Amino acid sequence: DTAVSQTPKYLVTQMGNDKSIKCEQNLGHDTMYWYKQDSKKFLKIMFSYNNKELIINETVPNRFSPKSPDKAHLNLHINSLELGDSAVYFCASSLTRTAQYFGPGTRLLVL
Amino acid sequence: KNEVEQSPQNLTAQEGEFITINCSYSVGISALHWLQQHPGGGIVSLFMLSSGKKKHGRLIATINIQEKHSSLHITASHPRDSAVYICATTSGGGADGLTFGKGTHLIIQP
Repeated sequence: DTAVSQTPKYLVTQMGNDKSIKCEQNLGHDTMYWYKQDSKKFLKIMFSYNNKELIINETVPNRFSPKSPDKAHLNLHINSLELGDSAVYFCASSLTRTAQYFGPGTRLLVL
Repeated sequence: KNEVEQSPQNLTAQEGEFITINCSYSVGISALHWLQQHPGGGIVSLFMLSSGKKKHGRLIATINIQEKHSSLHITASHPRDSAVYICATTSGGGADGLTFGKGTHLIIQP
């Protein structure tokens, strides 16, 4: 009965490939987020999205794009993967201006 | 752009001790969040507060809006409290992501 789920949990891929990470929430939340945790364990917002607005962190390369087929899903597409994209990616969701619920994370390793 | 600073970065204490973790931020916010990241990597929201004080079990969070400062306290600490505690802020937009501090790595020894 997972609240926020992500697939896959682990992703190992070659430089230059394109990959997607899926996120689903069953909490009825209206806002979803993608965060990146780097090798030093520092967390940073990548995107936040509700049905009215998409906010993109200006430091995120345009190789990264969020896609939301419906309110319960916010998938992350990454084109032309680079070594520096290796990190843990967390999806989260919330109702507007309330506490966020995090997914378990996807560990991406780019070789 | 908000800067979120936490102290200490690392804290080792004995079981039963009273723990305080501090967080300061640079600009006005709509809310401050305390999160816990377990050794296995999962992240859990502990508190979200915009004024005053909140308590949940042995955890207490306080915020001083004028001083742009928040504290997280753990009473009667236990080894299972060992984790990384992260302070984060939101600034008010409808789809507003978190701005994080670097975290405090807490170890409680038996």
